[in-house]
Amino acid sequence: AQKITQTQPGMFVQEKEAVTLDCTYDTSDQSYGLFWYKQPSSGEMIFLIYQGSYDEQNATEGRYSLNFQKARKSANLVISASQLGDSAMYFCAMREEMDSSYKLIFGSGTRLLVRP
Amino acid sequence: DSGVTQTPKHLITATGQRVTLRCSPRSGDLSVYWYQQSLDQGLQFLIQYYNGEERAKGNILERFSAQQFPDLHSELNLSSLELGDSALYFCASSPRRGGPVGETQYFGPGTRLLVL
Repeated sequence: AQKITQTQPGMFVQEKEAVTLDCTYDTSDQSYGLFWYKQPSSGEMIFLIYQGSYDEQNATEGRYSLNFQKARKSANLVISASQLGDSAMYFCAMREEMDSSYKLIFGSGTRLLVRP
Repeated sequence: DSGVTQTPKHLITATGQRVTLRCSPRSGDLSVYWYQQSLDQGLQFLIQYYNGEERAKGNILERFSAQQFPDLHSELNLSSLELGDSALYFCASSPRRGGPVGETQYFGPGTRLLVL
């Protein structure tokens, strides 16, 4: 079964600096998808960025980018120019196939706090 | 705003009671997924419906059930509630049943359930 590991329970970053949130995964599939979601204190889950296993380039979405290292099975989220509004929980997730369907499995999350 | 709506936002009830959580998927999405987020278990997949039919089951208790109606909204029914059922319940939607690897699930704002 697939597994997602986020080893940083909490992190601090100074406003306007960049920060990297770690995510490692375990899968035997050749084709897979990795996702990052943000959960602010209000509770909603906000989709940030997606990386496919066969994508040749690292995914980028505005200030978010993915440092995808397939051989190391890592998909770290990089947030550039951190803003106070980036303070939230961040979850790495992977798609797990099930009988003509799929579900997302999530890591335990990293709480990011941006300092002014 | 993901386009997925959930009601109610908060729910407080007593042990032994039954509650119904409601979800409306994004316009055009046929799949609805239910997830539970609790402090001890993290984010876990419960069940998926596609176009009115149950398609996949995760760690869903027998006391819990769900359905998807012809207008594609879905309801999650939780009965004989226990203290441990207190959690944030998310609904997510996607266009297809098992779409391409990059198909993203968009989450609703969640229903926060407190069982006293």
